[in-house]
Amino acid sequence: GAVVSQHPSRVICKSGTSVKIECRSLDFQATTMFWYRQFPKQSLMLMATSNEGSKATYEQGVEKDKFLINHASLTLSTLTVTSAHPEDSSFYICSAAAVEGYEQYFGPGTRLTVT
Amino acid sequence: QKEVEQDPGPLSVPEGAIVSLNCTYSNSAFQYFMWYRQYSRKGPELLMYTYSSGNKEDGRFTAQVDKSSKYISLFIRDSQPSDSATYLCAMSATYGGATNKLIFGTGTLLAVQP
Repeated sequence: GAVVSQHPSRVICKSGTSVKIECRSLDFQATTMFWYRQFPKQSLMLMATSNEGSKATYEQGVEKDKFLINHASLTLSTLTVTSAHPEDSSFYICSAAAVEGYEQYFGPGTRLTVT
Repeated sequence: QKEVEQDPGPLSVPEGAIVSLNCTYSNSAFQYFMWYRQYSRKGPELLMYTYSSGNKEDGRFTAQVDKSSKYISLFIRDSQPSDSATYLCAMSATYGGATNKLIFGTGTLLAVQP
């Protein structure tokens, strides 16, 4: 089956610093990648949709200058949380959709803690 | 009102029981319905996918969609302790590529007791 990886799996950073999370499709090419955020006991909330080589589309209420998304290749998308604050602490999950397919394959998630 | 409502549980059942998980939704444009399983601190894994109304069976899992009632269900037969996880329903009005915007329920935490 299709495999999506995320790195790092856990990160702790200080308030005001920036953190980059990588999402990779390991055995397929993904034209579209999605970034979600999940707070404890809450649903996955879509933050943004990114297509390879173009600007990401952000959901309403998500600050694009704070959550920078880059989808530089068909196998890699990155999410950078800039000037992180404690309220940004959450579980960030990416998913990838294959070129010819429709199903979204999810990564294992990244636990971000901002102190 | 949330677009997708799902009882968060927790739901505890004995091993071998039949489990029924449900979601209701308000957006009549939803046509694609999915069930994901998420183990603690892991990403979701697709279990079942159904288009429009009807039933779909895969091993011990059966997914049902009733669009007239805006109600979907996932049944797990002969439940096993390894089925213990959070089950998320997800829906979309379209399917494929960049238009595949999934709306998730909050997830139901299931515990199958040995």
